[in-house]
Amino acid sequence: DIQMTQSPSSLSASVGDRVTITCQASQDISNYLNWYQQKPGKAPKLLIYDASNLETGVPSRFSGSGSGTDFTFTISSLQPEDIATYYCQQYDNLPTWTFGQGTKVEIK
Amino acid sequence: QVQLVQSGAEVKKPGASVKVSCKTSGYTFIRYAITWVRQAPGQGLEWMGWISAYNGQTNYAQKFQGRVTMTTDTSTSTVYMELRSLRSDDTAVYYCARVEDPSYFDYWGQGTLVTVSS
Repeated sequence: DIQMTQSPSSLSASVGDRVTITCQASQDISNYLNWYQQKPGKAPKLLIYDASNLETGVPSRFSGSGSGTDFTFTISSLQPEDIATYYCQQYDNLPTWTFGQGTKVEIK
Repeated sequence: QVQLVQSGAEVKKPGASVKVSCKTSGYTFIRYAITWVRQAPGQGLEWMGWISAYNGQTNYAQKFQGRVTMTTDTSTSTVYMELRSLRSDDTAVYYCARVEDPSYFDYWGQGTLVTVSS
């Protein structure tokens, strides 16, 4: 099974800061990676699919990059409404998916 | 608009079964698969399985094989997830989500809290 290692597990940043989260796969997964945002008490929301494609309606301050085993999720300018937990998700062997452990983003 | 509406919270005793429903609307039911994801209190997301609404084909995470069954009712555009032999560590919020072909979860239900306690 493919394992996803997401880091950091939590971070604290100031409004306007650039925030970066990484996700590493245990083997090559091409660009088969999605990113989700989950706010407390809510269902997850898709932000990025296929490693770098922004879901319709998602603000452009969110972006994703990477391929193979190493992926990056970036918030270019952190906003108060971005406080949430972010998860990567791989889908190298459909129909099977695996989530990363999550990164909790807080405001400093 | 696309909606996935799940059944209400459940409290079950260890060893019992639970069946959670996910009623869909706003799209052609058989054109999309549905997946189930759970989240234990304070924990991350855990993928449980997938069902094709077109032909009922399923694929379950190895951890749940033998204990979970996912089914569809095309007459009501509803998907069901039954989990058997419940344990206390099955206490979680269970989510259904629509699978945008082939690979991402674009619409989610509101979640169903299942509490397993003696």
